[in-house]
Amino acid sequence: EAQVTQNPRYLITVTGKKLTVTCSQNMNHEYMSWYRQDPGLGLRQIYYSMNVEVTDKGDVPEGYKVSRKEKRNFPLILESPSPNQTSLYFCASSPRPGREAFFGQGTRLTVV
Amino acid sequence: TQLLEQSPQFLSIQEGENLTVYCNSSSVFSSLQWYRQEPGEGPVLLVTVVTGGEVKKLKRLTFQFGDARKDSSLHITAAQPGDTGLYLCAGSPNFNKFYFGSGTKLNVKP
Repeated sequence: EAQVTQNPRYLITVTGKKLTVTCSQNMNHEYMSWYRQDPGLGLRQIYYSMNVEVTDKGDVPEGYKVSRKEKRNFPLILESPSPNQTSLYFCASSPRPGREAFFGQGTRLTVV
Repeated sequence: TQLLEQSPQFLSIQEGENLTVYCNSSSVFSSLQWYRQEPGEGPVLLVTVVTGGEVKKLKRLTFQFGDARKDSSLHITAAQPGDTGLYLCAGSPNFNKFYFGSGTKLNVKP
């Protein structure tokens, strides 16, 4: 089954404790991206990757890192999480930039 | 300021009514997509419109792409409670960053 898998689904952590949210897709898509969704602000792109070893900033990259060492995986790293990073996060993949996005089920992150 | 402006933000209607959601931008898009999102889940693609002036139908949903490829609309005929959800337009004007509208939260009352 074609899918994008994110883990974990829910995470509560403390300020400053490094964390990684994993994302994996099995559709051989080139384009992958991370979004955060906040009430009233919609979905905003954090980082995107056009292909392996090619990543770039989206609209809200501050406080986040990503890597794309393999085509299928695109982890999101918060080196020192802060409460303003409490949000619902989605990973997505597309066959190519600007085309239909397939989303993971989301990760609800709470930073206290 | 969002690249894609959606209106209205909220819509609460009775079952059987018609409605239209708008998605506008000052930028030209090669294509626009419409997604529907349920609470706590990821958005799911409804349709992609590619050609200026294009109209696509998906059962009771009609999608239109503006002639100049800067705007799109979603029209629902005879809305049903199962149509309740968050509707999002999205696209990429330059084939790298991807943008979403702020969404239209639709509630269809039985």
